[in-house]
Amino acid sequence: GQNIDQPTEMTATEGAIVQINCTYQTSGFNGLFWYQQHAGEAPTFLSYNVLDGLEEKGRFSSFLSRSKGYSYLLLKELQMKDSASYLCAVTDSNYQLIWGAGTKLIIKP
Amino acid sequence: DVKVTQSSRYLVKRTGEKVFLECVQDMDHENMFWYRQDPGLGLRLIYFSYDVKMKEKGDIPEGYSVSREKKERFSLILESASTNQTSMYLCASSPSGTNTDTQYFGPGTRLTVL
Repeated sequence: GQNIDQPTEMTATEGAIVQINCTYQTSGFNGLFWYQQHAGEAPTFLSYNVLDGLEEKGRFSSFLSRSKGYSYLLLKELQMKDSASYLCAVTDSNYQLIWGAGTKLIIKP
Repeated sequence: DVKVTQSSRYLVKRTGEKVFLECVQDMDHENMFWYRQDPGLGLRLIYFSYDVKMKEKGDIPEGYSVSREKKERFSLILESASTNQTSMYLCASSPSGTNTDTQYFGPGTRLTVL
């Protein structure tokens, strides 16, 4: 079966760095998304990786290793507004989008 | 900016009622999706549509139907609501059909079935 694993919850301190991991087992691969979802709100797009390596976008970076079926989202200089759930999603070889359950990130002052 | 709107943020219905959830997008996107989101589970696809009057079943279509009469509007119908359909329902749209494009989500409808 197809599966995406993310930690359920993480806690970090304001100003620090946090890495949220995502591992996937899917039938083929056509890209990996990260979305941010604040409580009670819609998911919003953060990043898309289709090739191996690190994509940096301001305080957020996303890394992909296709051979390992692994990605991470790196958040630097954490702010209280970064408290949210972070969703990992993979497009498989049939172009179906498989979603992880999300990681709830709690930022403490 | 892409805007996806949903007809209600909160809805309370009784078991057996027919429920309509409406979604409208304003960016001329080809694809529209209906998901439900439950605690501890990933987004689960109910139905999607690649074009007007086209619909495809997702992972959990049972108990639901959809309608896409116009490109910008995608409706989700619960034929006879049941308590296990209490959930957050999210609509999304994207430009193309390969799921390699960003999906843009509406604010969600939190449906409670009593």
